[in-house]
Amino acid sequence: AQTVTQSQPEMSVQEAETVTLSCTYDTSENNYYLFWYKQPPSRQMILVIRQEAYKQQNATENRFSVNFQKAAKSFSLKISDSQLGDTAMYFCAFNSGYALNFGKGTSLLVTP
Amino acid sequence: EPEVTQTPSHQVTQMGQEVILRCVPISNHLYFYWYRQILGQKVEFLVSFYNNEISEKSEIFDDQFSVERPDGSNFTLKIRSTKLEDSAMYFCASSVNFDTQYFGPGTRLTVL
Repeated sequence: AQTVTQSQPEMSVQEAETVTLSCTYDTSENNYYLFWYKQPPSRQMILVIRQEAYKQQNATENRFSVNFQKAAKSFSLKISDSQLGDTAMYFCAFNSGYALNFGKGTSLLVTP
Repeated sequence: EPEVTQTPSHQVTQMGQEVILRCVPISNHLYFYWYRQILGQKVEFLVSFYNNEISEKSEIFDDQFSVERPDGSNFTLKIRSTKLEDSAMYFCASSVNFDTQYFGPGTRLTVL
């Protein structure tokens, strides 16, 4: 069974600073996808960034980037120049077939 | 930009009643999913649907649940006889292939 672990239940960062959210996963698959989703207080699930396991290059989307370490099964999210609107729950997710398998989430608070 | 839509946004029902949650996936997507999130917990996979049949389902998706694509646009989740523990946020998602899933805004189901 595939598991996704987010070891930081809560984090806090000041506006304009950089923060890194951790995620590790366990799988025997070789081809898969990894995602970070953001869930603001509205509870909508918003895709932040995706990474294909066969690509060595780390994905980036504007202020969001990942550090993908396939051998270590690690997939961390870096948020640069944090903004108040980044305050949300962040879920790491793994997909090797149909179902997305989510971690328990990290609650990120961005303070002024 | 195309979006997944869900109706209603909030449904309140009495225990034992049937509910139908509705979703309109993104128009060119072929794979459809339902997930649920009990308050304060992680997002859990329920079922995936492709080519007019269930492709995968979780242990949560028992005989009380069913899915249907009644026409070319809607995708529904039916809970036959609701229980208190069915109270949760239900998310519909869709994808083009085994790749990125885009989520709707969710339906909050409250069972009294």
